Amino acid sequence: AQTVTQSQPEMSVQEAETVTLSCTYDTSESDYYLFWYKQPPSRQMILVIRQEAYKQQNATENRFSVNFQKAAKSFSLKISDSQLGDAAMYFCAYRTVTSNSGYALNFGKGTSLLVTP
Amino acid sequence: ETGVTQTPRHLVMGMTNKKSLKCEQHLGHNAMYWYKQSAKKPLELMFVYSLEERVENNSVPSRFSPECPNSSHLFLHLHTLQPEDSALYLCASSQDRRSRDEKLFFGSGTQLSVL
Repeated sequence: AQTVTQSQPEMSVQEAETVTLSCTYDTSESDYYLFWYKQPPSRQMILVIRQEAYKQQNATENRFSVNFQKAAKSFSLKISDSQLGDAAMYFCAYRTVTSNSGYALNFGKGTSLLVTP
Repeated sequence: ETGVTQTPRHLVMGMTNKKSLKCEQHLGHNAMYWYKQSAKKPLELMFVYSLEERVENNSVPSRFSPECPNSSHLFLHLHTLQPEDSALYLCASSQDRRSRDEKLFFGSGTQLSVL
């Protein structure tokens, strides 16, 4: 089974600074999707960014970008110009094939991001 | 508002109680999911429904019983739960669970406490 590892339980960043959250995964597949989800105190999981492994170009969404290293099976999230509203739990996820030939997301344990003024 | 609504937001129940969690999606999606989120553990996939048919059941104890009467509604019926079942239960939906580009849309969850 594919596993997703987030080695940083907590991170802190100052407002307007840049922070990078790390994620590694284990897979034998050659093409797959990776995701970063954000869970603010409201508890609602929100999709931040996604990356298809087939594409070499790193995905970007405004202040959010990823550093996708396929050979190293690494998928880190960079948040630029951090804002107070970025404070949340961040989950890395891998889209995996389930036993019934469908797809589901495998999540890491999450990284809690604190943004200080 | 993401289009996935869960009720109740909080639930406290005794081990002998019977209660139900409700999820409703207004996105026209065909697949719905129950996830369990426990402290310091990865989200665990519990059940997957596709077009109202249960297609995944990840070895979940029988004290959790899902129901999907139509593609917009999903329930999780609870009975004789244990304290270790206390967690945040998240519902999600997606357009098509067989899509390679699957994006999940989540509700805000039900925080369940079993006493």
